[in-house]
Amino acid sequence: AQSVTQPDIHITVSEGASLELRCNYSYGATPYLFWYVQSPGQGLQLLLKYFSGDTLVQGIKGFEAEFKRSQSSFNLRKPSVHWSDAAEYFCAVGITSYDKVIFGPGTSLSVIP
Amino acid sequence: KAGVTQTPRYLIKTRGQQVTLSCSPISGHRSVSWYQQTPGQGLQFLFEYFSETQRNKGNFPGRFSGRQFSNSRSEMNVSTLELGDSALYLCASSPGTGASDGYTFGSGTRLTVV
Repeated sequence: AQSVTQPDIHITVSEGASLELRCNYSYGATPYLFWYVQSPGQGLQLLLKYFSGDTLVQGIKGFEAEFKRSQSSFNLRKPSVHWSDAAEYFCAVGITSYDKVIFGPGTSLSVIP
Repeated sequence: KAGVTQTPRYLIKTRGQQVTLSCSPISGHRSVSWYQQTPGQGLQFLFEYFSETQRNKGNFPGRFSGRQFSNSRSEMNVSTLELGDSALYLCASSPGTGASDGYTFGSGTRLTVV
């Protein structure tokens, strides 16, 4: 069955430290890949997306993600975390451009001042 | 440019009642998708509409239905409400498809069934 996994339920980092959130998917072909962020009580905001081409993609708010086909992974990174980055982060996948988008379970990020 | 607007923001209903939620997408966006978000199940896909046609459907019972109007506004309806339907319902719009373009989400409608 198609699935998206985010191995880390919750991560705590200190402000200014680097961040990496993990995402793995179980599809054969290269899917459409996304990262979204959700602040408390709000809807989700698109951080970045990958379809093809350069495997390192840049997004908003200083985030970037790297697609690794061999590992079926699409990890999100940020070199220096700010307190305002505390939120829930979701990895999402669409198998084809006309398919539904499936979301991972999310990773909750806490930032220590 | 106005974002995705969902109304109402909060709703309390009694078991057995029905409810209609509304979503106005970003101007020019033709696709509207709906998701149910709960602490236990996360984000679950309900359905996607494009130009008034349902293009994709998730694994929800027939009590959950939706439609899209010619102006791209969308409504979802849940009949015979159950306690387990309590959730945040999120609407998302995209110019073409959520998978190819990515979504812009609304703030959601928080439904509580008592």
